[in-house]
Parts: sequence; C-alpha cells; structure tokens
Amino acid sequence: AQTVTQSQPEMSVQEAETVTLSCTYDTSESDYYLFWYKQPPSRQMILVIRQEAYKQQNATENRFSVNFQKAAKSFSLKISDSQLGDAAMYFCAYRSADNNNDMRFGAGTRLTVKP
Amino acid sequence: DGGITQSPKYLFRKEGQNVTLSCEQNLNHDAMYWYRQDPGQGLRLIYYSQIVNDFQKGDIAEGYSVSREKKESFPLTVTSAQKNPTAFYLCASPGRVKGAPVYFGEGSWLTVV
Repeated sequence: AQTVTQSQPEMSVQEAETVTLSCTYDTSESDYYLFWYKQPPSRQMILVIRQEAYKQQNATENRFSVNFQKAAKSFSLKISDSQLGDAAMYFCAYRSADNNNDMRFGAGTRLTVKP
Repeated sequence: DGGITQSPKYLFRKEGQNVTLSCEQNLNHDAMYWYRQDPGQGLRLIYYSQIVNDFQKGDIAEGYSVSREKKESFPLTVTSAQKNPTAFYLCASPGRVKGAPVYFGEGSWLTVV
C-alpha cells in the first residue's frame, strides 16, 4: 500500500518569508498524482497544487510551488511571501493512476505564520 | 454548482445512541469516501465506496456502518459500538478523470455528551 509521510507536525514562518513543507511517499507505481491540500481553521479542505508524476516540471500556483523529486519520492511544498492567511494545516496526498479510487493522505503539517 | 453536501454540521450524541451523518453529491462521481479527523490530526479512512451497492472498510471501520443505495448518497452511521466517536467527519469524492483532485464536503462535528 502506498504511504505518505509528513515528518514535520508543526512549522512556523515569519510573514513575508518563505517556508518549505516536506512530504515523502512510498510507492511501486510509476504513474501517479500528488497533491497538497490546505485546511484552514474552518476545516474546509482546499486544493493548493497538483503534480503529475510523469511531468518533470515542478508545478507552480502563484506563491505556491513544489519540488518534486521522483527518484527520491519526495514532494515538498514551498510557500513564498507567506501571508497570515496561509496559516493552516497542510496535507500531502497521493493518488494512484492505476487505481483511480486509491488515495492516501499524510498526517499533516500545521503551519503558523507570525506577523 | 456541483459539490458535496454534508449534514448536519454539528451533532451531539448521547452514550449508547446511533447517529447518521449525511453525505450527498451532485458531481456524478462513482466513488465516495468517509474520513475521520481528530483534533490536530490527519485524515483516517473509515469506509469507501467505488460503486452503488458496494463499499469496503477502510483503516478504522469498527463501530461504523455505511450504505450506498444511490450514487448520490453515502450516509455514515456511527454506532454505539464506536467507543470514542467525538471527532470531525469529512466526506469526499475523487474526480472521475484520472488524476483529478478529491472533492470534499464541509464536514460534520460529532460530540458525545
């Protein structure tokens, strides 16, 4: 079974600074998809960014970007110019391409943004 | 707009009672999931269904039951056998297209009183 590991239960960053959240995963598949979700205090899950395993180019969405290292099975999220509204729980997720309904989440990283 | 609707948002259960959380989707998705989230913790899979009239246990199915009589609906019953049911419950459904994101409901808070 695929596992997703987020080794940082908590992180903090100063407003306007950059922070990187780590995620590693274990899989024997070659085709899959990776996601980062944000869960603010409202608890609504919000998709932040998506990466396809076959694409070497790292995905970017405004201030959010990933460092995808397929060989190392690493998928970190970089948040640039951190804002107070970025404070949330962040979940890394893996979705199989072979089994479209197989999706696993990491345990999450709680990000605090200091003014 | 298409989406996932969970109800109620807040629910209180007395000891020994069964309660049912509703999850409805109008996305025409085949698969639906139930997750449990304890305070400050990640998501744990309770049950999932890939098609109508079929469902499978997830990692923490004990004390829970589900049904999938309609494509749009996947209710979760928290039975009295669940010894510690106080948690936040999320219903989700993965997009049908390969690699599509998972859509989530807004969640339901269950508290035992």
